[in-house]
Amino acid sequence: GAVVSQHPSRVICKSGTSVKIECRSLDFQATTMFWYRQFPKQSLMLMATSNEGSKATYEQGVEKDKFLINHASLTLSTLTVTSAHPEDSSFYICSARFRDNYGYTFGSGTRLTVV
Amino acid sequence: KQEVTQIPAALSVPEGENLVLNCSFTDSAIYNLQWFRQDPGKGLTSLLLIQSSQREQTSGRLNASLDKSSGRSTLYIAASQPGDSATYLCAVPGSGNTPLVFGKGTRLSVIA
Repeated sequence: GAVVSQHPSRVICKSGTSVKIECRSLDFQATTMFWYRQFPKQSLMLMATSNEGSKATYEQGVEKDKFLINHASLTLSTLTVTSAHPEDSSFYICSARFRDNYGYTFGSGTRLTVV
Repeated sequence: KQEVTQIPAALSVPEGENLVLNCSFTDSAIYNLQWFRQDPGKGLTSLLLIQSSQREQTSGRLNASLDKSSGRSTLYIAASQPGDSATYLCAVPGSGNTPLVFGKGTRLSVIA
């Protein structure tokens, strides 16, 4: 089946530093990758949609200069949290769809802790 | 704008019980519905995908139904086990390649 591999699974970084999260579609080409954020005991909130070869589309309230998304190939999308602050600590997860009318598959998520 | 609601928000049952989780959505023009499971601190695992032309899907002890016209879906779990304890999420996609819209989930605890 369609698999999305997400790394790292956990990361702890110092305030002010940047962190990169990678999502790879292992056995299919993901022209579109969706990035979500989830705070404790809350549902997933869509942050942005990344399309291969073009600029990402950000949801209202999400700072595009802080959350840099790159989708340079059909199998790799990255999310970089720049100048991280403690309030950016959250669970970040990516998702893609194998093909039309197929279900969405999710990465395993990244737990980011900013200290 | 599509909205997804899940009831109940939390559920605690003794091991062995059969249970039903409910999901409703406001825009019935969906082409499929997906149920996921999320364990604490983990990603999402797809449980069942129901296409709009289908009325139900089964996988092991799980059975999901879809009534598109009324905007409802149910997830039935038979003979619940402690390992079923997790948050169950219902989601529907937008048209084309738009992202899923999620409910807030049902937190299930199965007590041994």
